[in-house]
Amino acid sequence: QSVLTQPPSVSAAPGQKVSISCSGSSSNIGNNYVSWYQQLPGTAPKLLIYENNKRPSGIPDRFSGSKSGTSATLGITGLQTGDEADYYCGTWDNRFDWVFGGGTKLTVL
Amino acid sequence: QLVESGGGLVKPGGSLRLSCAASGFAFNTFTINWVRQAPGRGLEWVSSISATGSYIFYADSVKGRFTISRDNLKNSLYLQMNSLRAEDTAVYFCAKDPFDIWGQGTMVTVSS
Repeated sequence: QSVLTQPPSVSAAPGQKVSISCSGSSSNIGNNYVSWYQQLPGTAPKLLIYENNKRPSGIPDRFSGSKSGTSATLGITGLQTGDEADYYCGTWDNRFDWVFGGGTKLTVL
Repeated sequence: QLVESGGGLVKPGGSLRLSCAASGFAFNTFTINWVRQAPGRGLEWVSSISATGSYIFYADSVKGRFTISRDNLKNSLYLQMNSLRAEDTAVYFCAKDPFDIWGQGTMVTVSS
């Protein structure tokens, strides 16, 4: 059971928009930056968003991040079948060092 | 890039040493992490070591059994795993801070 709570799964049609939530507390999200990672089947995770809302070079602007209080959200617009993957949030936790969310499986219908 | 090695099959109570070879960036200026993923499960941060090795952190689940170390002259990271348990079975990834570069992972299976 992770200290960061994500929905187990989300789904949407190609071209649509989806949001993935990550809920934490004042010991983690509330006072630290949040990152988001994409893990395609059988591959290593890939950094999508860092410091709440910044995208590394090469990450399309279809991916966005936001944070409010003790929750964070990953938004993906213009969904593509290639976006089907597991998505994880991550942040520093004052009690447990670094923590990841339980992961959310995105299905593009 | 980062390339892990050293995984394999080990009996409960046994030991294994993982390695992570770095190239293409200034290894000696970054904190490096170990992250694991049990089959069909999510990501679990395991340990991290600062650029000079001065600061080391472990997840509670491995504290006292695993030891992280690095050799900046060899651009390499290590994870010595002792007293292995079935629940340590996972793919182990090394990842450079801020988790922007990951290795491909190495599988560790703890089973009799």
